[in-house]
Amino acid sequence: QKEVEQNSGPLSVPEGAIASLNCTYSDRVSQSFFWYRQYSGKSPELIMSIYSNGDKEDGRFTAQLNKASQYVSLLIRDSQPSDSATYLCAVMRNSNYQLIWGAGTKLIIKP
Amino acid sequence: EAGVTQFPSHSVIEKGQTVTLRCDPISGHDNLYWYRRVMGKEIKFLLHFVKESKQDESGMPNNRFLAERTGGTYSTLKVQPAELEDSGVYFCASSPEVGSPLHFGNGTRLTVT
Repeated sequence: QKEVEQNSGPLSVPEGAIASLNCTYSDRVSQSFFWYRQYSGKSPELIMSIYSNGDKEDGRFTAQLNKASQYVSLLIRDSQPSDSATYLCAVMRNSNYQLIWGAGTKLIIKP
Repeated sequence: EAGVTQFPSHSVIEKGQTVTLRCDPISGHDNLYWYRRVMGKEIKFLLHFVKESKQDESGMPNNRFLAERTGGTYSTLKVQPAELEDSGVYFCASSPEVGSPLHFGNGTRLTVT
């Protein structure tokens, strides 16, 4: 079992709809969770960080964390074609602060 | 504020040759990380500097890889001799504090032929 799991996609969502990206992790004691967006050939760009159970909203983005279920998600409201990218979930190990990455979900927003 | 910069953006070398990658972190960021993504795989941790000291190098694949951060500013990652399986994208990232979100450079795409 991988430490961080994501559905590779592609996930196709119509423009204006809500895109829902999911991630599960295996290390129960992890405390820090990050969503990065990566355009082809570019570096990962931090979208959201979340540390506590519940929802965290920033503009069109909402991160949701459920530590009991070891599940973190990212919702993108009013999806735009420019949101089309690969979204990477990363979990920070408490023991050594290493980021453990999922393989990423490719998101396609259809105009 | 200038971001994390990496040089070169691409490098194509033959098996057995040496390549040195460079990373300039965001000014003032004591923490510097190297990560690597090989084709079809997840991004993997290589090592972590705090200032000039290696805090964690548990992800370095073998002794063909040597990372330095003299003076606690920029860092270099040397691969000598390069092997085919070293091909991938090498990312550098920095952060002001341990545990805070990482800021990534654009990466160096290394191809070993």
